[in-house]
Amino acid sequence: DGGITQSPKYLFRKEGQNVTLSCEQNLNHDAMYWYRQDPGQGLRLIYYSQIVNDFQKGDIAEGYSVSREKKESFPLTVTSAQKNPTAFYLCASSIDVGGSYNEQFFGPGTRLTVL
Amino acid sequence: AQKVTQAQTEISVVEKEDVTLDCVYETRDTTYYLFWYKQPPSGELVFLIRRNSFDEQNEISGRYSWNFQKSTSSFNFTITASQVVDSAVYFCALSYNNNDMRFGAGTRLTVKP
Repeated sequence: DGGITQSPKYLFRKEGQNVTLSCEQNLNHDAMYWYRQDPGQGLRLIYYSQIVNDFQKGDIAEGYSVSREKKESFPLTVTSAQKNPTAFYLCASSIDVGGSYNEQFFGPGTRLTVL
Repeated sequence: AQKVTQAQTEISVVEKEDVTLDCVYETRDTTYYLFWYKQPPSGELVFLIRRNSFDEQNEISGRYSWNFQKSTSSFNFTITASQVVDSAVYFCALSYNNNDMRFGAGTRLTVKP
């Protein structure tokens, strides 16, 4: 089945530690995205990538880093510089054809808790 | 500014009632797309509909219908004869370029048996 997988589903981190969230897609989509969701709020864009080896900051990129070494993978690292990392993180992908405004498909999410 | 407002934070209805979820958007672009997503308790967002700014026709899909009115910058979502399985958080979103999607804060719908 085609889709997006995120792992782990739940993640606990001690303060001061970096942690990496995995996102893999087998939809052959060009574009991938990372969002953060806090209780009672909509999704906020952290980073996005349109092609391999290229990515752009979203609205709340501070304290996060990403890489796009393969088309199907877009891992997100939450660094110790992120002051309030406890949140639900969603990865998404879409076909990136210029000007087509395609819908994004989402993974099941990772819930990160800082202890 | 590009913005989506979902003024209804939570709605509770009894099964078989009709319910409308409101969405108001702001954009200066003439070309844009509007979306609705459903987020069930499992957490994964499920795509429901995409509508471009040049198509104001209403759409019906089973018990779901959408009313797009550019004059009031609204894209409302109605569920007819609601069911318990419709309980979820629903997000309206606006995309004005291919890589920037603005989400509303979401409306939590609870359908009671």
